[in-house]
Amino acid sequence: DIVMTQSPDSLAVSLGERATINCKSSQSVLYSSNNKNYLAWYQQKPGQPPKLLLYWASTREFGVPDRFSGSGSGTDFTLTISSLQAEDVALYYCQQYYGTPPYTFGQGTRLEIK
Amino acid sequence: EVQLVQSGAEVKKPGESLKISCEASGYSFTSYWIGWVRQMPGKGLEWMGIIYPGDSDTRYSPSFQGHVTISADRSISTAYLQWSSLDDSDTAMYYCARHEGGSSSWLDYWGQGTLVTVSS
Repeated sequence: DIVMTQSPDSLAVSLGERATINCKSSQSVLYSSNNKNYLAWYQQKPGQPPKLLLYWASTREFGVPDRFSGSGSGTDFTLTISSLQAEDVALYYCQQYYGTPPYTFGQGTRLEIK
Repeated sequence: EVQLVQSGAEVKKPGESLKISCEASGYSFTSYWIGWVRQMPGKGLEWMGIIYPGDSDTRYSPSFQGHVTISADRSISTAYLQWSSLDDSDTAMYYCARHEGGSSSWLDYWGQGTLVTVSS
């Protein structure tokens, strides 16, 4: 199984500042035939199901604010929130969907306001 | 509008059986894989397995293989997750979610979750 490791486990950022969450996979999730990274990011607020933010590592889901962006390739990925808003307080998860199942998640990163 | 509506919370005793459901609407149920994700209290997300309702092809995570069964009823656009014998460690929130395109894809729509509590 591909192991996904996020860092940090928790993060406190001031309103309006940049937040950066990292995700590392135990093997590459870049599929060479289409040059796509099989990685998604989700946001989960308390008492709610997860919500898709990004797929193909950097493509925003419809309706997701453009302050959310994704980067990286192969085994190392980053979710960046360019200017933190109060409503961004949540847990964030990366997930790989490369090849055959299981399609594992990272352990999650808790984002709070400083 | 795509919707996944899950069955209500359950309280069970160890050793009991259980089947929870996920009713899909707003899209062609037989054309998308549906997966199940576990979230134990205060913990992260765990991918359990998926089913393609079109032909009932099912894949499981090794961590869950043999302990749960995923099924689907095309006639009522509903997917299921079932246990034959629950134990305390099955206490968790369970989400169904649609894989956007093919099994190897992201989860674009999620159910609201079903809380399963197993306690003697």
